[in-house]
Formats: sequence, C-alpha cells, structure tokens
Amino acid sequence: KAGVTQTPRYLIKTRGQQVTLSCSPISGHRSVSWYQQTPGQGLQFLFEYFSETQRNKGNFPGRFSGRQFSNSRSEMNVSTLELGDSALYLCASSPDGTGGNYGYTFGSGTRLTIV
Amino acid sequence: AQSVAQPEDQVNVAEGNPLTVKCTYSVSGNPYLFWYVQYPNRGLQFLLKYITGDNLVKGSYGFEAEFNKSQTSFHLKKPSALVSDSALYFCAVRRLGSGNTGKLIFGQGTTLQVKP
Repeated sequence: KAGVTQTPRYLIKTRGQQVTLSCSPISGHRSVSWYQQTPGQGLQFLFEYFSETQRNKGNFPGRFSGRQFSNSRSEMNVSTLELGDSALYLCASSPDGTGGNYGYTFGSGTRLTIV
Repeated sequence: AQSVAQPEDQVNVAEGNPLTVKCTYSVSGNPYLFWYVQYPNRGLQFLLKYITGDNLVKGSYGFEAEFNKSQTSFHLKKPSALVSDSALYFCAVRRLGSGNTGKLIFGQGTTLQVKP
C-alpha cells in the first residue's frame, strides 16, 4: 500500500513569491491535515480537509490556504512569502480525521526555504 | 490552554539499558494520545497510540507507553535501547470533538541519544 506522498521534497523561493505544495494521501483516506515544523515553534497545525471541505483551521494568517480535490489529494498555498515561512511542511492522512483506529500517517514533508 | 509537555530536551541512555521519554498533557476531556519518531530530514513515523482500554500500550519497534490518567502522563518506554533508536520523539494529543478532527497538539520533542 503506497504511503503519503508529498511533492516537491525541497523548494527554494524568494520573499514575496507564492508557493504550492502537494500531498497525496493513502488510497481511501479522506482526511488530510497540514502542519508546519520550525525549530522555534515546533509542530503547529495549519488546517484539515475532509471530503473537499476545510473542517478545521489553526492559527495562521490568511496567506496560508489549502484545498482538497475529489480524489482526496490536497494542496496548500502560501502567498507573499516571508523569511519566517521557511519550514518543513508535513501532511498527515487518515481515513476520517479522528485518529481512532488507524492513527495518522505522515508524509516525508516539503522543506521550504525562503531567501 | 491545551498543551503537551515533554520536560526533557534530550535523553541519553546506553545501548541495552531501558529508556523512558516523558510526556504530560493538559487537555480537557479524554484525548487520544500518540507517540511519533522523526529521523533527520524525514516525516513522522507512528509508534503507538492510546484511545481507551489498557493503560499499557504496545507499539512498533519494541516501544510501549504507559497512560496515567491521574497524572495526565503518557511516558514512552523501551526495555532495551538500540543505537538505531537515536532520533527525535514527539508526544501528541488529539482532543475529542468534531472541532478537533485531524488536529494534533504536539510536544516540543525529545532527542533520544543511545550510545554504544
């Protein structure tokens, strides 16, 4: 069974640009969550999508947005990039978002560097 | 505020000795509890979870965790450490309720160093 696939693995962008990251969940999983990992703030929840709808949202500015497609693949977009957006972005896949029977499976992440 | 604490930034243990990585939480209700491990430049690998039932949960790679409701703790343990266990370990909780689906609250992480 294929795992969670995040693309690209590495990205370098300049301030002010925008970026789109992609996450393909495990087949059959309908929930995708996104997290930002930085040395200073640790792992922070961005948002969760389920059946193409944003169901929960963390405390991030509106520059951070996402969407989910009918095949459950999800993208997150960051506009007007700032140096502080440099981070490892992780997505997590689960059947229904509850984490009950199967927990959450994480991808390997996208390392975003802003210069 | 809901939070997860991992009081030790680093734990050092000799190979073959038992290890414990500590986690306490301050979350209302009866949350789901998780342990994940992260190797350099990689995502998080699931070790184990506690939903309900026995307080001792067994997981992957010989790890186990003990849930203590009165102390709101969920410490990770392994009877005999391996050098390959050296990594960054995260404790996480998920509050119950529809407003918290897919949302894990993480501790700051504990670096485990196992020396030969």
